[in-house]
Amino acid sequence: GAVVSQHPSRVICKSGTSVKIECRSLDFQATTMFWYRQFPKQSLMLMATSNEGSKATYEQGVEKDKFLINHASLTLSTLTVTSAHPEDSSFYICSAKTGDQPQHFGDGTRLSIL
Amino acid sequence: KQEVTQIPAALSVPEGENLVLNCSFTDSAIYNLQWFRQDPGKGLTSLLLIQSSQREQTSGRLNASLDKSSGRSTLYIAASQPGDSATYLCAVSAYGNNRLAFGKGNQVVVIP
Repeated sequence: GAVVSQHPSRVICKSGTSVKIECRSLDFQATTMFWYRQFPKQSLMLMATSNEGSKATYEQGVEKDKFLINHASLTLSTLTVTSAHPEDSSFYICSAKTGDQPQHFGDGTRLSIL
Repeated sequence: KQEVTQIPAALSVPEGENLVLNCSFTDSAIYNLQWFRQDPGKGLTSLLLIQSSQREQTSGRLNASLDKSSGRSTLYIAASQPGDSATYLCAVSAYGNNRLAFGKGNQVVVIP
């Protein structure tokens, strides 16, 4: 149980393109979803926390107009990287949880901006 | 702000040796501590979760200890195998499993 699916697993696109990443909890209702970013050989850095039906809470230094998060249902959250540039290239990972249970992680999305 | 440090950053061991991975954190007011495994280009697989009131957790060849007062955790992997090669991440959680603070990981290579 507690499976989190993230799609797509890999995206390569041109600079200036907007990219949407989906995170779904397949077998549980996620009251809270999290988006992380990971650079090579670095730790996961929390970007934002989203609760279903409300606006996401962004960490300091994360541009909310750049990284749009929508948590429209208890099983789906999306992260849209708007007008992506090469410096946005990274590994993005989502997680989901219900109540005060542990977070369950997706398999991540490798984003490469040319 | 919680800071999590993992030492060593990378290590290689011959197959069969025991692995000892260390994690330290600066704020002892944690809800729980987790050890994850991450394979290259992949997401996280949870290995062990220790609640703040617990001292250790065991699963098969894996044992994790927690000393909350000193801000330390150790992951032991007995009789290492080549399949254990991966990056191991330590993460501490604030109340309610909301804010996970991660270390940079211990990158392990087990040599056949």
